[in-house]
Amino acid sequence: QKEVEQDPGPLSVPEGAIVSLNCTYSNSAFQYFMWYRQYSRKGPELLMYTYSSGNKEDGRFTAQVDKSSKYISLFIRDSQPSDSATYLCAMDSGGGADGLTFGKGTHLIIQP
Amino acid sequence: EPEVTQTPSHQVTQMGQEVILRCVPISNHLYFYWYRQILGQKVEFLVSFYNNEISEKSEIFDDQFSVERPDGSNFTLKIRSTKLEDSAMYFCASWGTNRQFFGPGTRLTVL
Repeated sequence: QKEVEQDPGPLSVPEGAIVSLNCTYSNSAFQYFMWYRQYSRKGPELLMYTYSSGNKEDGRFTAQVDKSSKYISLFIRDSQPSDSATYLCAMDSGGGADGLTFGKGTHLIIQP
Repeated sequence: EPEVTQTPSHQVTQMGQEVILRCVPISNHLYFYWYRQILGQKVEFLVSFYNNEISEKSEIFDDQFSVERPDGSNFTLKIRSTKLEDSAMYFCASWGTNRQFFGPGTRLTVL
């Protein structure tokens, strides 16, 4: 069983739509959850960082963690063409200093 | 804003050759990492490094790989005898303020 599952997409939505990206995981030891954005052939860029369950909001981005369901989400409001990228979920158990376990990434396309 | 840098951006090598990938982590960070991403696949953890020794390594990080911090600023990944399947993007990261910051990557092509 894969540790982190993420639908690779592509997910195509019109500009201005609300985007929902999700990951499921199997390792109950994970406590730190991150969302990274990656443009083609570039390094991952951290968007959101959450510890344990709950919500966190930063501008147009909201991250949700439901540890009981082993399910995390990233919502993007008022999506823009510049949001088009691959979104990677990542997680670890040890405070962020351990090696991260990544999902495969969802390729998001925002249509103008 | 401080950032992780990596050189070279692209490295082409022949199978069986040794390569060294270089990284300069953010200056006040103490944990350093290497990850790889084979084209079209997920980012995979290779190794973490703290206090001049390996802290954690994955099963991918076998005897052909080694890491070193030769001075106060550089962090290197050496692949001793490259194989075709080592072709990938290699990302360096460093940890600070509860998060890992990634470099832009080195694209390694093994012919």
